[in-house]
Amino acid sequence: EADIYQTPRYLVIGTGKKITLECSQTMGHDKMYWYQQDPGMELHLIHYSYGVNSTEKGDLSSESTVSRIRTEHFPLTLESARPSHTSQYLCASSEFENSGRNEQFFGPGTRLTVL
Amino acid sequence: AQTVTQSQPEMSVQEAETVTLSCTYDTSESDYYLFWYKQPPSRQMILVIRQEAYKQQNATENRFSVNFQKAAKSFSLKISDSQLGDAAMYFCAYTGSSNTGKLIFGQGTTLQVKP
Repeated sequence: EADIYQTPRYLVIGTGKKITLECSQTMGHDKMYWYQQDPGMELHLIHYSYGVNSTEKGDLSSESTVSRIRTEHFPLTLESARPSHTSQYLCASSEFENSGRNEQFFGPGTRLTVL
Repeated sequence: AQTVTQSQPEMSVQEAETVTLSCTYDTSESDYYLFWYKQPPSRQMILVIRQEAYKQQNATENRFSVNFQKAAKSFSLKISDSQLGDAAMYFCAYTGSSNTGKLIFGQGTTLQVKP
């Protein structure tokens, strides 16, 4: 079944640790996105990719980095986690199309808590 | 810069009744798309409905319809015959020709459905 997956779903980690949030999709979508969402608040785009070896920073500044080595995989890495990184991280994907009309499909999210 | 505003943090509706969620946006672009996404508690965000700005006809999807007022830059969502499963956070989102698929989200409206 075509879907978008995120692991882990929940992560509690100490300050200074390096973490990688995984995102994979089986729909063959070229476009992928990472959003940051504080509880009960709006989503802010932090990274996006339009294909393999393409990554761009989003509208919200983030200390995280991303990579896109394979079409289906778009991991997000924090080299040194801090309490200010505590949030929910949502991954999404969509088919490539210039106008932007295409629906974005969202993963279940990773809820990150940094102590 | 484009902005999206949802002025109703919370709304409630009786089961089987109709409710309207408000959204306003600001843009100088003439070609853009507007979306309503639904985020149920602890579940994946899904697309509810989409409106192309060049279309005068309001979009409808079963019990969901929009009132798109381009001149007023207003894009409200009407849910008819509300069901318990409609309880969720609803986000209005915008993308334009300059965004190439990147979504700008409103603050969200939490909808409670009372049995």
